[in-house]
Amino acid sequence: EIVLTQSPATLSLSPGERATLSCRASQSVGSYLAWYQQKPGQAPRLLIHDASTRATGIPARFSGSGSGTDFILTISSLEPEDFAVYYCQQRTNWPREITFGQGTRLEIK
Amino acid sequence: DVQLVESGGGFVQSGGSMTLSCTASGFAFSTSAMTWVRQTAGKGLQWVAAITGSGGATYYADSVKGRFTISRDNSKNTLFLQANSLTTEDTALYYCARDLRTTVTFFDLWGQGALVTVSS
Repeated sequence: EIVLTQSPATLSLSPGERATLSCRASQSVGSYLAWYQQKPGQAPRLLIHDASTRATGIPARFSGSGSGTDFILTISSLEPEDFAVYYCQQRTNWPREITFGQGTRLEIK
Repeated sequence: DVQLVESGGGFVQSGGSMTLSCTASGFAFSTSAMTWVRQTAGKGLQWVAAITGSGGATYYADSVKGRFTISRDNSKNTLFLQANSLTTEDTALYYCARDLRTTVTFFDLWGQGALVTVSS
């Protein structure tokens, strides 16, 4: 099973600052990586898929990069509504497997 | 509205069974691959099972293989998860989600979740 390790576990920043979240895979996943945002009491929301493609309706301040084993989610200038938990997710084709990272909590400093 | 609504959660004793349903509306359900993902405080998000649009192919996480069955009724726009031989480890909030593509990739629409509590 491919393990996704997210860092840091918690990130404390202020509105307007830039956020950089990391996701590392235990083996190459190519570009098959997504990022989700989850707020308390809500389901996850897809932000980025295929490592760098923004999902429909996602603001341009969210961007994804990376390939292989190392991936980054960047939020260029934090808005108050961006403080949440962020998860990365990968898929492998054979065996068909989906795994999620353990999450990074982005909190207001 | 484009939405997914889960139902069927609740309390069940260890060793028991439960069936979750997920009713879709507002999109072409029969052409969408669908998946179940569960969430616990201790283990975060865990993929459970997936099914292609036609229902012709199904996929399972090792932790539920042989105990859970995913299925769908495209005439009723409904996805199911039959869970047998439940243990306390299966206690979680279960989400159904729509796949971005026709195979198992990423998930762009989620339901609100159905809570399953397995007691010993």
